[in-house]
Amino acid sequence: DAGVTQTPRHEVAEKGQTIILKCEPVSGHNDLFWYRQTKIQGLELLSYFRSKSLMEDGGAFKDRFKAEMLNSSFSTLKIQPTEPKDSAVYLCASRQGQLSNERLFFGHGTKLSVL
Amino acid sequence: GEQVEQRPPHLSVREGDSAFITCTYTDPNSYYFFWYKQEPGASLQLLMKVFSSTEINEGQGFTVLLNKKDKRLSLNLTAAHPGDSAAYFCAVSDGGSALGRLHFGAGTQLIVIP
Repeated sequence: DAGVTQTPRHEVAEKGQTIILKCEPVSGHNDLFWYRQTKIQGLELLSYFRSKSLMEDGGAFKDRFKAEMLNSSFSTLKIQPTEPKDSAVYLCASRQGQLSNERLFFGHGTKLSVL
Repeated sequence: GEQVEQRPPHLSVREGDSAFITCTYTDPNSYYFFWYKQEPGASLQLLMKVFSSTEINEGQGFTVLLNKKDKRLSLNLTAAHPGDSAAYFCAVSDGGSALGRLHFGAGTQLIVIP
């Protein structure tokens, strides 16, 4: 399967810990997105990269959330320090080009539980 | 910025009935519209992509309606079956934006009762 790969699928952390989530986009895709998914808020944009450059950093998430893309095939999302309210599913998605009519390909997500 | 509101958040219908989900958006320059389906434990999958020039789009077992005047996007699942039970998300893209950012609705959890 050459889709978007996210690891781990589940993560349990204690309050105050640092966790790192990983994402491998579809090969050849230039755009990469990190979203947080909750039942109440739906999908909230955390970060958006285009050709490895950070294009958008979700304002409300800047202080403890840091996404990086060191190469075109790998991205990380660090949450430091974690808080119970961070419990959610974190989704990574990629898109081939820069056109706003292109579909996103999503990973299965990482379900984070912060105790 | 763009605001997308999706209703209802939860929907239960009996097998064979229709299920109707609606999204309203605020930016009149929005040009591309998407519906994604997320089955339990699975990733979001594209259901349909529509452009502002097309008002009605039909897929397998569903119809997407776009009303630009009211800034409303709708998904109608006709004759729903248990396999349609999933979360559905609308997404709106600003065609004029160089960033190509998508704005998602909060989702609708659909349950189709056999």
